[in-house]
Amino acid sequence: AQSVTQLGSHVSVSEGALVLLRCNYSSSVPPYLFWYVQYPNQGLQLLLKYTTGATLVKGINGFEAEFKKSETSFHLTKPSAHMSDAAEYFCAVSDTGGFKTIFGAGTRLFVKA
Amino acid sequence: SQTIHQWPATLVQPVGSPLSLECTVEGTSNPNLYWYRQAAGRGLQLLFYSVGIGQISSEVPQNLSASRPQDRQFILSSKKLLLSDSGFYLCAWRLGGGEQFFGPGTRLTVL
Repeated sequence: AQSVTQLGSHVSVSEGALVLLRCNYSSSVPPYLFWYVQYPNQGLQLLLKYTTGATLVKGINGFEAEFKKSETSFHLTKPSAHMSDAAEYFCAVSDTGGFKTIFGAGTRLFVKA
Repeated sequence: SQTIHQWPATLVQPVGSPLSLECTVEGTSNPNLYWYRQAAGRGLQLLFYSVGIGQISSEVPQNLSASRPQDRQFILSSKKLLLSDSGFYLCAWRLGGGEQFFGPGTRLTVL
């Protein structure tokens, strides 16, 4: 069975500071890994994904994530936070042939001016 | 390009009333379709998924049901709503690469 754990339900950073959102996963097969962002009262939008190949994945809005198999982690980072980054972020895992995606509980990011 | 529609955007219903939420996808064929519920301040709960017309898999026993009468149409229903059915309902479709694409959601409040 697959699972996702997002460490920290709330993260607060200052504008211009590093953003680090933590995600650990469990999967018995090579996983597909995703980060999604959700703004209030909207659906989820894909930020980036890892399937195979390069372990450092770049996404939209300056975000990137690194797949570390040995640590079963897929942490999301952004060098410099912007006010518009304030949103909820979901890490998710899927197996290569499965129909279902397992989502973490989400981390709400606050950006202080 | 592919788009996904959900309606209505918001809905306020009394306890015990019926429910019908509709989701349609454009620009793709034979998608996997999903219904999720997001309760206030919580993550996504998968309710139903469908791999084809008339094929529905239920993830959580409850008073909700789903149907897929056409390839790109997915409907979420209830005969009698409960207070606990309140939440944000999201429809999504999935590509072979694994990522899901979400609709704008329906905010349901049951009073």
